[in-house]
Amino acid sequence: GQQLNQSPQSMFIQEGEDVSMNCTSSSIFNTWLWYKQDPGEGPVLLIALYKAGELTSNGRLTAQFGITRKDSFLNISASIPSDVGIYFCAGPNLYNFNKFYFGSGTKLNVKP
Amino acid sequence: GAVVSQHPSRVICKSGTSVKIECRSLDFQATTMFWYRQFPKQSLMLMATSNEGSKATYEQGVEKDKFLINHASLTLSTLTVTSAHPEDSSFYICSARDGTRGFDNSPLHFGNGTRLTVT
Repeated sequence: GQQLNQSPQSMFIQEGEDVSMNCTSSSIFNTWLWYKQDPGEGPVLLIALYKAGELTSNGRLTAQFGITRKDSFLNISASIPSDVGIYFCAGPNLYNFNKFYFGSGTKLNVKP
Repeated sequence: GAVVSQHPSRVICKSGTSVKIECRSLDFQATTMFWYRQFPKQSLMLMATSNEGSKATYEQGVEKDKFLINHASLTLSTLTVTSAHPEDSSFYICSARDGTRGFDNSPLHFGNGTRLTVT
């Protein structure tokens, strides 16, 4: 099936450092989504990618849709304490747009 | 942007009682909404797909009679946890896609979640 493998599981970085996390799958996706979840809240959409090779930015965040359509990465530049949270990649099933797959999440910790 | 409102954010109930959680799409119509459950330090687990005007579709292993879903309008879906037990304590999150733009790949937008604690 279309499973998403997300790495790393967790990261501990210093404020100001850049961060990179990625998602891979053995199956292709037509859409890649990146969400951030703060403790006790629902995930918030950060970036949506719709085209292979697409590179999209949202402030200090940049995400790319891999050319093979089987992977995506999310970069955060110059991290700040409020970047702390869990980041999830997600994507819909190719044939059933209402069925979404989620990565296991990357927990980001930022030391001030 | 698309906003999904979920209420309540926290609820504590006694074992054996029922709890209703509401999910509303505030600025768009959602013919389909989704209910997820999230255990600590884990990803989201889809429980059911709520369809406006018809029966919900439940994922394997999710009890239909335990988790009643009603999607009476294009902007409201409710999840009722019936005869709650401590093992039902969890974080429940609803989501919806803004399909009114006619874009099948439109992303999911999530509510803020409901922390249910059954004592």
